Amino acid sequence: DQQVKQNSPSLSVQEGRISILNCDYTNSMFDYFLWYKKYPAEGPTFLISISSIKDKNEDGRFTVFLNKSAKHLSLHIVPSQPGDSAVYFCAASAPAGGYQKVTFGTGTKLQVIP
Amino acid sequence: DADVTQTPRNRITKTGKRIMLECSQTKGHDRMYWYRQDPGLGLRLIYYSFDVKDINKGEISDGYSVSRQAQAKFSLSLESAIPNQTALYFCATSDGQGWDEQFFGPGTRLTVL
Repeated sequence: DQQVKQNSPSLSVQEGRISILNCDYTNSMFDYFLWYKKYPAEGPTFLISISSIKDKNEDGRFTVFLNKSAKHLSLHIVPSQPGDSAVYFCAASAPAGGYQKVTFGTGTKLQVIP
Repeated sequence: DADVTQTPRNRITKTGKRIMLECSQTKGHDRMYWYRQDPGLGLRLIYYSFDVKDINKGEISDGYSVSRQAQAKFSLSLESAIPNQTALYFCATSDGQGWDEQFFGPGTRLTVL
């Protein structure tokens, strides 16, 4: 039962254009959503988060949009740069017995073409 | 220096062997986690610990055990390795605040022949 789904395993975008990474979820109890970025031979690193009470959060070139009615979130990267080439994991967390239980998606590999 | 370190970084072992993966952190976080990553399956939680005396099973704990030797150290053991435990293993830490961002180590690539 995959509660957090990233249906696109890979995405290629030209440098300077917008990259849009999508994520769908099924659990309405999720109250935080996070994106992590992972380079080869490194661990994932936190990129940006959004609370379920908001519909948008922006940090520089990165913006996350949350559509609660559709149970969908997306990460926009504008403009895309070659250094953004990485695997992006969507994650969602919900309170569970005193801690935030995190569920990760399967990841989307982004390639930004110079 | 890295805040979360894992040893070894790569390991090849044989079926039936016992193996231990180690994790150390200098972030001062109480919470530590072990995940495995498999192609097409994302990151799945094996075990987590909120302090030295607190150990909890994650979604895929069968075949694994852990030890929290100190606040800074969290080890994962495979008592009798099997080929389907071939994966990339990550240790992570968090401070339990807000959205509880996790800080990951660089990973251990384990191959069980």
